[in-house]
Amino acid sequence: GQSLEQPSEVTAVEGAIVQINCTYQTSGFYGLSWYQQHDGGAPTFLSYNGLDGLEETGRFSSFLSRSDSYGYLLLQELQMKDSASYFCAVPQYNQAGTALIFGKGTTLSVSS
Amino acid sequence: NAGVTQTPKFRVLKTGQSMTLLCAQDMNHEYMYWYRQDPGMGLRLIHYSVGEGTTAKGEVPDGYNVSRLKKQNFLLGLESAAPSQTSVYFCASSWTGPEQYFGPGTRLTVT
Repeated sequence: GQSLEQPSEVTAVEGAIVQINCTYQTSGFYGLSWYQQHDGGAPTFLSYNGLDGLEETGRFSSFLSRSDSYGYLLLQELQMKDSASYFCAVPQYNQAGTALIFGKGTTLSVSS
Repeated sequence: NAGVTQTPKFRVLKTGQSMTLLCAQDMNHEYMYWYRQDPGMGLRLIHYSVGEGTTAKGEVPDGYNVSRLKKQNFLLGLESAAPSQTSVYFCASSWTGPEQYFGPGTRLTVT
């Protein structure tokens, strides 16, 4: 089966840096995706790590360590608009095709 | 491009009633997915499709059926709605599994 663990809540102030961790237990691992969801909105794709290491996209970076079954999303220069829920997800490949299994999400609250 | 659209946006059903949720995408994606989202539970996969005419069960398929008669459309049916199916339903589409594009959601209440 698949299991992803991430903190339920994280708080930070504007301008700070925050790291959202995700640990996983999966039968077959191919990579780690991250999604952002603002309250009441649709999830939007942020990044995908298929290989170990750091992927940087503007203020957001994502890291993966397969040997530690661990990844994180790093948000820099936090802004109020970054207040949202963040989900890690792993692709699951089988005979029926490809699906994503999501963690339960981390709610980030950014204050001024 | 509209991306992924969902119809309806809101719906209230009585226990035992049936309904169909429609998802449409204009990106020519092969993969389409239905998720439900409940407070504190994240996104849980109901059913998915890897191409026209194909469907597969996800994590929580019971009480739902799906059909993909056309590549651009993916329908989710509730044959006999139950209060436990009160949720927000999201449709998504994708070229590859890891990067998915989501619709705006359908908020369903079953009384």
